[in-house]
Amino acid sequence: DIQMTQSPSSVSASVGDRVTITCRASQDISSWLAWYQQKPGKAPKFLIYAASSLLSGVPSRFSGTGSGTEFTLTISSLQPEDFATYFCQQADSFPFTFGPGTKVDIK
Amino acid sequence: EVQLVESGGGLVRPGGSLRLSCAASGFTFSNVWMIWVRQAPGKGLEWVGRTKTKTSGETTDYGAPVKDRFIVSRDDSKNTVYLQMNSLKIEDTAVYYCGTDYATRWVGSWGQGILVTVSS
Repeated sequence: DIQMTQSPSSVSASVGDRVTITCRASQDISSWLAWYQQKPGKAPKFLIYAASSLLSGVPSRFSGTGSGTEFTLTISSLQPEDFATYFCQQADSFPFTFGPGTKVDIK
Repeated sequence: EVQLVESGGGLVRPGGSLRLSCAASGFTFSNVWMIWVRQAPGKGLEWVGRTKTKTSGETTDYGAPVKDRFIVSRDDSKNTVYLQMNSLKIEDTAVYYCGTDYATRWVGSWGQGILVTVSS
């Protein structure tokens, strides 16, 4: 199975900050990567697919880049509703696997 | 609006069985592959399995930890997807989410999740 790692595991930030999360795959997954947001006690929410394509309705302050084995999720100006845990997921080969998550909390 | 509602969770002994259901509405169920993902308490997400549509052969795929123990099935007449869990282990304790497939690779919409606890 393809292993996914994320860094940092947690980040403390303030409203208005720029936040960048990195996701790495154990092998080349081309651009087959998604990002999800999960708030405590809630189901994950699909944000970005194919590394950089934003789902309709997702604010433009979210962006994704990368290909191969290294990917980033950037929140350009953190808003109060963005405090959550973010997971990446590879979809290059089955079984699809998720990263361990990065928690974004309030500084 | 897509709605997915899981049911059937609860407490079960190791070695036991449980069947989860996920009732879907707000989209043409028979046209959508359906997925199960789980999340152990305080942990990350894990792909459990998926079922394709009839037109795609209604085939199923599973993650390694559940292969040969869990079965995903669907009933298009009831707009419902099932997860039959057999030979349950303590490590199967998790919140189980059903979801809709997006472009054969992602989980587009998610249910609210249902807790399964395996304990003696």
